[in-house]
Amino acid sequence: NAGVTQTPKFQVLKTGQSMTLQCAQDMNHEYMSWYRQDPGMGLRLIHYSVGAGITDQGEVPNGYNVSRSTTEDFPLRLLSAAPSQTSVYFCAATSGLTNEQFFGPGTRLTVL
Amino acid sequence: GESVGLHLPTLSVQEGDNSIINCAYSNSASDYFIWYKQESGKGPQFIIDIRSNMDKRQGQRVTVLLNKTVKHLSLQIAATQPGDSAVYFCAESPPGNTPLVFGKGTRLSVIA
Repeated sequence: NAGVTQTPKFQVLKTGQSMTLQCAQDMNHEYMSWYRQDPGMGLRLIHYSVGAGITDQGEVPNGYNVSRSTTEDFPLRLLSAAPSQTSVYFCAATSGLTNEQFFGPGTRLTVL
Repeated sequence: GESVGLHLPTLSVQEGDNSIINCAYSNSASDYFIWYKQESGKGPQFIIDIRSNMDKRQGQRVTVLLNKTVKHLSLQIAATQPGDSAVYFCAESPPGNTPLVFGKGTRLSVIA
């Protein structure tokens, strides 16, 4: 049982490049979310999904897209990377029974 | 307590002493609260939760206290150990199918 996995662990992009941050969970949780974490800012919600085929915007959605074609996967796409998107990104899956939120190990993204 | 600016508030305690980490939450209608621990380079990890119909909940070496009158949450760690050194976040769950709102975190530093 791997829990929540994220790839890659580290990524460097140039301004304007696009990429997809992968997130997968094997716990069959319906609710998944993406956060970014910046120094002194805590965790800020980018997008979330309450189930396959359903996504919604969080606090800071601009510049990011998500999709949820399966329960297991919840990729985050950066359409045209900007230096302001330099951050650590965490994916999480939440148990509908206990409300416990399980986080992945994070992806550290640097945009030059 | 909650951070301001770019720097997290830091609590330094001697090994073996008790630690108390505080959090002020924002929504008086929030009905569920969680404490997370985040070690360096890792994702947040669930520690303990409490529902709004309780004012105290105990786990192994940890206790969460909830004061709804002043919208205050605290995490008490008994006999603090070096392995407790981490950043601790509180999170509140507003009513309805609404995402968690995270505090900015407090860094706990244990002095051996």
